[in-house]
Amino acid sequence: KNQVEQSPQSLIILEGKNCTLQCNYTVSPFSNLRWYKQDTGRGPVSLTIMTFSENTKSNGRYTATLDADTKQSSLHITASQLSDSASYICVVSGLGGGGNKLTFGTGTQLKVEL
Amino acid sequence: ETGVTQTPRHLVMGMTNKKSLKCEQHLGHNAMYWYKQSAKKPLELMFVYSLEERVENNSVPSRFSPECPNSSHLFLHLHTLQPEDSALYLCASSQARTSGNSYEQYFGPGTRLTVT
Repeated sequence: KNQVEQSPQSLIILEGKNCTLQCNYTVSPFSNLRWYKQDTGRGPVSLTIMTFSENTKSNGRYTATLDADTKQSSLHITASQLSDSASYICVVSGLGGGGNKLTFGTGTQLKVEL
Repeated sequence: ETGVTQTPRHLVMGMTNKKSLKCEQHLGHNAMYWYKQSAKKPLELMFVYSLEERVENNSVPSRFSPECPNSSHLFLHLHTLQPEDSALYLCASSQARTSGNSYEQYFGPGTRLTVT
């Protein structure tokens, strides 16, 4: 069964600090992995997308890594800001059925405090 | 944010009511999706429309009825819902997926539904 597990479930950090969120998946065959940011009361917004051959991708203060061998990804946030407070969702796309199937993680709830 | 809009943003309904959720996309996409997001659970894909045809229905109860009159609009008709149906309902759109290709889904802000 395709699964995406994220850790930690929630995290509180001080403004200006760095943090790393983890994503482990069992989706196979693999197509790509995306990290989404979901602010409270809003829909998810894509931060990064990585395919099998990509190890790292950055989007401003967000850097995602992918190890396709161990089926792990991480999202590193540098110099956190209050606006980074949100849920971060890992989504893995697998191949099958003539198209791609998305498997969603439950998300990591990040809170950045003063 | 304005690429995919959803109305209403909040809805409270009784179990005997009939209501509809509306989604509109202004991105020129030809695939649209309904998701259910419950607390501490992954997003659950409910329905997929591609080129205005329903291509996926993930064992959703018949009290949820989707409608896609054209590639820009998507509705979710609700009737005789249960309290456990209370959740955030998200609409998304993308280019229609093809074999081997995955296109990014753009999400609307969601409708927060409470069934009393």
